[in-house]
Amino acid sequence: QKEVEQDPGPLSVPEGAIVSLNCTYSNSAFQYFMWYRQYSRKGPELLMYTYSSGNKEDGRFTAQVDKSSKYISLFIRDSQPSDSATYLCAMSAWGDKIIFGKGTRLHILP
Amino acid sequence: DSGVTQTPKHLITATGQRVTLRCSPRSGDLSVYWYQQSLDQGLQFLIQYYNGEERAKGNILERFSAQQFPDLHSELNLSSLELGDSALYFCASSVGGTGASNSPLHFGNGTRLTVT
Repeated sequence: QKEVEQDPGPLSVPEGAIVSLNCTYSNSAFQYFMWYRQYSRKGPELLMYTYSSGNKEDGRFTAQVDKSSKYISLFIRDSQPSDSATYLCAMSAWGDKIIFGKGTRLHILP
Repeated sequence: DSGVTQTPKHLITATGQRVTLRCSPRSGDLSVYWYQQSLDQGLQFLIQYYNGEERAKGNILERFSAQQFPDLHSELNLSSLELGDSALYFCASSVGGTGASNSPLHFGNGTRLTVT
């Protein structure tokens, strides 16, 4: 079983829809959870950074962590064509290397 | 703009050759990380340096080496290149030395290496 699993997509949704992106993981020691957005030919850009369980909101983005289920989500409200990108989840235990998911390709259709 | 600078943007070279990739971290960041990204493997951690010292090692081949200089910039050296080394190589930086425990990573825009 891989440490971090993420559906590669592609995921296509109409503009204005709510997008849900998810990752599962197997290592119960993970405490730090991140979402990165990567546009084509660019480096990953940090979107959300959370510690332990719970929700965190930043504008149109909400990150959720459920440690009991080893499941994290990123929700994008009022999706825009500019949100079209690859979204990578990432996580780590304290003092350990960060493990990335392979990314989900998202297309927002105008 | 993340503040992390990588050069060159593109490299095309032949099998068996050696190349050097360069990274300047964000101002104030002491850690530099190197990642390899390919379509089938995703982002794979290679190595981390913190304030000039090697801090963590990932899936880095023996043909690859890295160092961090006193001015905190870093270089990744890839030698005896093979076709399978073709990938995007990213550098990232952070303030602290303990990965996400201190602060998350900020990535450069990568170097695209093509080995022919």
